[in-house]
Amino acid sequence: GAVVSQHPSRVICKSGTSVKIECRSLDFQATTMFWYRQFPKQSLMLMATSNEGSKATYEQGVEKDKFLINHASLTLSTLTVTSAHPEDSSFYICSAPKTGGTEAFFGQGTRLTVV
Amino acid sequence: AQSVTQLGSHVSVSEGALVLLRCNYSSSVPPYLFWYVQYPNQGLQLLLKYTTGATLVKGINGFEAEFKKSETSFHLTKPSAHMSDAAEYFCAARHSNYQLIWGAGTKLIIKP
Repeated sequence: GAVVSQHPSRVICKSGTSVKIECRSLDFQATTMFWYRQFPKQSLMLMATSNEGSKATYEQGVEKDKFLINHASLTLSTLTVTSAHPEDSSFYICSAPKTGGTEAFFGQGTRLTVV
Repeated sequence: AQSVTQLGSHVSVSEGALVLLRCNYSSSVPPYLFWYVQYPNQGLQLLLKYTTGATLVKGINGFEAEFKKSETSFHLTKPSAHMSDAAEYFCAARHSNYQLIWGAGTKLIIKP
């Protein structure tokens, strides 16, 4: 199967700082990537769809200026949590479908803790 | 609106017993269906998927699921539970744009 690498797996940051999370498709090109947020003991909530070379599509209620998404190449999408606050602490997961395939492949997730 | 329903947020079975995790979808058009497993603080691993063809799908770790169009169901089963099966399981449906619609998840607890 295809591999999606997400980095870092864990990050602790101070309130008010920004954190960048990377999602890379290692062995395939991904024109689309998805960013999810998962609260404890809950399912995944789609935050945004990242499109290579164009603006991301955000789900309703997700602040675009808060969660900056950049998909600059066919193998890399980044999510930057700007001016992080404790309520942004969560588990963030990216996924990338393989064009022409049937499934999306998931990164390992990033546990963000804002103190 | 399309939705995926997982019945039971927690399912507890004894080691060696049958595992049955329920999933129903609402869609006029049968979607692609997936079961994922998530271990604590980890990403999701695909267990199995149904796209077209055979309605009984076999996956990894001894799991299988049967797509029943008449019941709009895609229940996950395993004949004999193992302690290592303890995890969170998510059912998901996908339509043409690769976006997944997720169930709420079921935590599988294995009793020794």
